[in-house]
Amino acid sequence: GAVVSQHPSRVICKSGTSVKIECRSLDFQATTMFWYRQFPKQSLMLMATSNEGSKATYEQGVEKDKFLINHASLTLSTLTVTSAHPEDSSFYICSARETTGDGYGYTFGSGTRLTVV
Amino acid sequence: GIQVEQSPPDLILQEGANSTLRCNFSDSVNNLQWFHQNPWGQLINLFYIPSGTKQNGRLSATTVATERYSLLYISSSQTTDSGVYFCAVLPKGGGNKLTFGTGTQLKVEL
Repeated sequence: GAVVSQHPSRVICKSGTSVKIECRSLDFQATTMFWYRQFPKQSLMLMATSNEGSKATYEQGVEKDKFLINHASLTLSTLTVTSAHPEDSSFYICSARETTGDGYGYTFGSGTRLTVV
Repeated sequence: GIQVEQSPPDLILQEGANSTLRCNFSDSVNNLQWFHQNPWGQLINLFYIPSGTKQNGRLSATTVATERYSLLYISSSQTTDSGVYFCAVLPKGGGNKLTFGTGTQLKVEL
């Protein structure tokens, strides 16, 4: 089945620094990937849609200059949290959709827990 | 946008018990998936079920698209079933963005 790998799984950074999170589709090509954010005991909220070879589209209220997304290949999307602050601490999850075979479902990475101190 | 509500929000079961989780959605959908989020945050795909019934071991799911709801059945629950269960839908005419439900927090005790 489709596998999405996300790295790192956990990161602690100082306020004001930037953090890059990688999301890879391991056994399929993904022209589109998705980035979600999840606060404790809450549901997942879509932040942005990452499009290979073009600019990402951001959901309303998400600062595109703070959350930089790059989708340079059909198997890799990156999310960079720039000038991180404690309020950016959260669980970030990426996903991709395999559009072949029987599924047409979405597969998710294992998530990245970001703590900004 | 589409609203996706799950019930109950919290559920505590004794090991071996059965349960039914419900997902109601406010508009027509092209896709519905059930996920289990384990205590480490990993989302595990349980079912892709835009309509009909599917079974996988102790789990089964039914989606009645015309009535805009889906049910997830867990039989003979085990402690490893603990976690949060989410349904997520792809609205018709809504492109390719999944909308997640509110979730059901399940705890299975010995």
